[in-house]
Amino acid sequence: AQSVTQPDIHITVSEGASLELRCNYSYGATPYLFWYVQSPGQGLQLLLKYFSGDTLVQGIKGFEAEFKRSQSSFNLRKPSVHWSDAAEYFCAVGRGFQKLVFGTGTRLLVSP
Amino acid sequence: NAGVMQNPRHLVRRRGQEARLRCSPMKGHSHVYWYRQLPEEGLKFMVYLQKENIIDESGMPKERFSAEFPKEGPSILRIQQVVRGDSAAYFCASSPSDQETQYFGPGTRLLVL
Repeated sequence: AQSVTQPDIHITVSEGASLELRCNYSYGATPYLFWYVQSPGQGLQLLLKYFSGDTLVQGIKGFEAEFKRSQSSFNLRKPSVHWSDAAEYFCAVGRGFQKLVFGTGTRLLVSP
Repeated sequence: NAGVMQNPRHLVRRRGQEARLRCSPMKGHSHVYWYRQLPEEGLKFMVYLQKENIIDESGMPKERFSAEFPKEGPSILRIQQVVRGDSAAYFCASSPSDQETQYFGPGTRLLVL
């Protein structure tokens, strides 16, 4: 069965510092991988996705993620965090674009 | 192009009542997905529908829950005889096909008293 682990429940980063959010997945075939962001009281916005090709993918808002098959990971990174990045981040995996399996999320706090 | 619309945004029901949650997909999208988010948890898939068809309902509770996506009008998630454990945020997503990204609505937050 597919599963996603986001080991960090909360992360606090200083504004301007770099960010890495961890995501590990369990899946028997080549996965489709996604990162979504959820602001308080809002729906989920897609940041980026991977399903084939270059393992380093660029997304919106300056985010990127790297697919590492050997480590079953798809970590999200940003070189310089802005206060507006404070939100909850969800990693998700799917066999395709349907029926996504989500991690429990990582809440990002940005300190001044 | 308006995004995925969900209403109501907040819904309060007493135990035993019915809850009806509506989702209008983005224009041109004929595929709808429902997810549930319990407090402090990630989203859990419930059901995947196309117009007038349920494609995958493997995540739906066996009782009290039903979903439809009629030819005309929004998709409806219906919960009969709600219990306190149904309190959650219910998200709808839509896509133009099953090979394309899902776009999420703002969710309906259901509170059962």
